[in-house]
Amino acid sequence: QTVVTQEPSLTVSPGGTVTLTCASSTGAVTGLNYPNWFQQKPGQPPRALIYSASNKHSWTPARFSGSLLGGKAALTLTGVRPEDEAEYYCLLYYGDAQLVFGGGTKLTVL
Amino acid sequence: EVQLVESGGGLVQPGGSLRLSCAASGFTISSYWMHWVRQAPGKGLVWVSHINSDGTLTDYADSVKGRFTISTDNAKRTIYLQMNSLSADDTAVYYCAGGPYTNYLPYWGQGTRVIVSS
Repeated sequence: QTVVTQEPSLTVSPGGTVTLTCASSTGAVTGLNYPNWFQQKPGQPPRALIYSASNKHSWTPARFSGSLLGGKAALTLTGVRPEDEAEYYCLLYYGDAQLVFGGGTKLTVL
Repeated sequence: EVQLVESGGGLVQPGGSLRLSCAASGFTISSYWMHWVRQAPGKGLVWVSHINSDGTLTDYADSVKGRFTISTDNAKRTIYLQMNSLSADDTAVYYCAGGPYTNYLPYWGQGTRVIVSS
């Protein structure tokens, strides 16, 4: 069973920069996993932020960026705002038509 | 404006069945891959199933394979999730999501809550 691993929690100061990562139990995350990133706030559905590792949706704030870093997918927030406090999930695609979410990272802005 | 609205959730006894619906507007589901994703109380997101744009290809997470069936009615712009042999482990908010490719999920509904309990 494929497992996608994220940091359980991270804390960042307002105005700071933080990087969240997403690792796969099958090996290095590549562009063929088409990494997606989602933000979810309490009581709300997920909101898509990033697709195909580094592409932003039209509604994604500029301070969010995605990349592949050291065999993992990464989501970087630059100039963090209090409203960025949320749970962040990555989603990886596997060639056998399976999609697997990571366990989520709870980002605290403090 | 793209909108997805789920319905059909509720309280069901263990071993029972439920059919969820997801009504789409603002786009043509016959051009999109559509997914169901669930989230148990206090837990993370779990991909459940998807169906391709013409309804000919479906796939399921191992945890629901053989019990859940995804389908689509393009004329009604609606996708469905038939859930059978439900157990407490299926208790969750079920979200409908979609996009033009299976690995691209930009659009999400608000979710419908399913509680499996006696």
